[in-house]
Amino acid sequence: EDQVTQSPEALRLQEGESSSLNCSYTVSGLRGLFWYRQDPGKGPEFLFTLYSAGEEKEKERLKATLTKKESFLHITAPKPEDSATYLCAVPRGSQGNLIFGKGTKLSVKP
Amino acid sequence: DAGITQSPRHKVTETGTPVTLRCHQTENHRYMYWYRQDPGHGLRLIHYSYGVKDTDKGEVSDGYSVSRSKTEDFLLTLESATSSQTSVYFCAISESLQGASPLHFGNGTRLTVT
Repeated sequence: EDQVTQSPEALRLQEGESSSLNCSYTVSGLRGLFWYRQDPGKGPEFLFTLYSAGEEKEKERLKATLTKKESFLHITAPKPEDSATYLCAVPRGSQGNLIFGKGTKLSVKP
Repeated sequence: DAGITQSPRHKVTETGTPVTLRCHQTENHRYMYWYRQDPGHGLRLIHYSYGVKDTDKGEVSDGYSVSRSKTEDFLLTLESATSSQTSVYFCAISESLQGASPLHFGNGTRLTVT
């Protein structure tokens, strides 16, 4: 069964303290992995798509990487405005819908 | 931001009443989706549409129906609301399938069934 697991469930960092979030997946024939950011009361906001092992994408303080079994979202020198829940997802089936992990809630304290 | 509007943003209804949630997009995307988000479960697909009048079930479709009579509008109906349908509902759109393009989400409808 296709599955996406994220860890940790919650992460508290001090401003400037770099860390990584993990997304492990078990799908047959990966057709991409998506990272989203979700703020309270809002819908998920698309961040990155990764398609093949070894691929990396960067946006400001965030860098996403992909291996054959997992993806990491590295956060370098985070700021309080990076506080959010980060979701990863992979496509399932032929109609483009996604399986989501349960997310990592990141809190960055000043 | 993708042009997706969900209405209403909040709704409280009683058990047994029908409820319709609306998703309107201005992007002219072919694919539209309804997800629900619950603590401990994450986002789960309810129904999706791959064109006008073309819809299919997702993993948690029992008790829900959908309709899409125009490209821009996708309606989700709870035929007879139950307390287990208390949730936050998100509409999403995408330009293509097969994972080639990401889903873009609206800001959700918080539904409470009393």
